[in-house]
Amino acid sequence: NFMLTQPHSVSESPGKTVTISCTGSSGNIASNYVQWYQQRPGSAPTTVIYDDNQRPSGVPYRFSGSVDSSSNSASLTISGLKTEDEGDYYCQSYDGSTHVVFGGGTRLTVL
Amino acid sequence: QVQLAESGGGVVQPGRSLRLSCAASGFTFKTYAMHWVRQAPGKGLEWVAIISYDGSNEFYADSVKGRFTISRDNSKNTLYLQMNSLRAEDTAMFYCAKDWDSSGTFYFDSWGRGTLVTVSS
Repeated sequence: NFMLTQPHSVSESPGKTVTISCTGSSGNIASNYVQWYQQRPGSAPTTVIYDDNQRPSGVPYRFSGSVDSSSNSASLTISGLKTEDEGDYYCQSYDGSTHVVFGGGTRLTVL
Repeated sequence: QVQLAESGGGVVQPGRSLRLSCAASGFTFKTYAMHWVRQAPGKGLEWVAIISYDGSNEFYADSVKGRFTISRDNSKNTLYLQMNSLRAEDTAMFYCAKDWDSSGTFYFDSWGRGTLVTVSS
């Protein structure tokens, strides 16, 4: 089965830039869109990136997404980090057999 | 704006049943596919099921196939999840989520706040 692997945790200082990776276990990650969700502590997930690199209305320009076929990975980059960006981030894609594949999640700490 | 409000969670004994509801507002419910996604305590997200805009198609995660049934009442703008033969490993926060289109892209646009299901004797 297709799997998405994320780092367990990342940390960075306020104002800096952080990138969270999401690596596909096989095939070509670019063959289906990658979506990213933010989950602040104690809250429900919200969508921050869809269709690889699109931002829903209301999501700051500081959030950007990309896909790199050569490394079979997707990335979420957050610039100008704020303490409010702390939380868990999940990548997600589609798989023909299991339909929905989530990464294991990355805990972002802004310190 | 889109609002999704889950209800029906609680504590239930193993082997028993429970039905969750999700009341939708702020969008034309009958034109979008809908999902249930769950999250066990301290764990990641797990997709559970999808239903198409008109209820004609459903798909399930292997972990719940044959035990859970997703349904919808478009006249009431409400999504349901009937959960039978519950197990301890079904303990989770259950989220209702809106798809991006009618048949289902299997990507999530908006999420509810969730309802907690605890399976315990």
